Amino acid sequence: DAGVIQSPRHEVTEMGQEVTLRCKPISGHDYLFWYRQTMMRGLELLIYFNNNVPIDDSGMPEDRFSAKMPNASFSTLKIQPSEPRDSAVYFCASSLTSTGKNGYTFGSGTRLTVV
Amino acid sequence: GESVGLHLPTLSVQEGDNSIINCAYSNSASDYFIWYKQESGKGPQFIIDIRSNMDKRQGQRVTVLLNKTVKHLSLQIAATQPGDSAVYFCAELQGGKLIFGQGTELSVKP
Repeated sequence: DAGVIQSPRHEVTEMGQEVTLRCKPISGHDYLFWYRQTMMRGLELLIYFNNNVPIDDSGMPEDRFSAKMPNASFSTLKIQPSEPRDSAVYFCASSLTSTGKNGYTFGSGTRLTVV
Repeated sequence: GESVGLHLPTLSVQEGDNSIINCAYSNSASDYFIWYKQESGKGPQFIIDIRSNMDKRQGQRVTVLLNKTVKHLSLQIAATQPGDSAVYFCAELQGGKLIFGQGTELSVKP
């Protein structure tokens, strides 16, 4: 298995533009998680899905952020409009269970820079 | 140990020495804990886990200790190698979600 695949690896965009981050989870994993990592706040859970359904989006910072999972093999995290404070590394992770026995498997992340 | 702020706590050890990385968790009801390793430019990678009904678990060169009385978790790495240089996070399961600590940067001197 290729693991969790995220794209793009790096994204530089201007303030006000729309940004879409993509994730392909491991086949067969029913849970998908989006995390954001910054030096100030560490790794924060934004939202997670079970069987393509959003379960908990309490970590989504504001209405500018939205996430979808149209099928079991694809999820997107969208920021519209983007702001400089959104600059961070965004990770997608997947797991067989919500309890994450043996942990969640993380992708390599998307480094977002908003200028 | 863990701290909140701009700078990660750093542990510097000599190659071949043992390393101990500490973590204080927040919720006494948490019943599952994981240690992750994150190398530069990569996502966190699972190292070892432990459930709250245990106080020690051993893996290959790593041992996790859990002290529920003081809500403390530690990761011991035996015979630390340059490839162990990374940021180490503890994570606790709360309400079905993994909540991560701030991390400790381990630097191994050759």
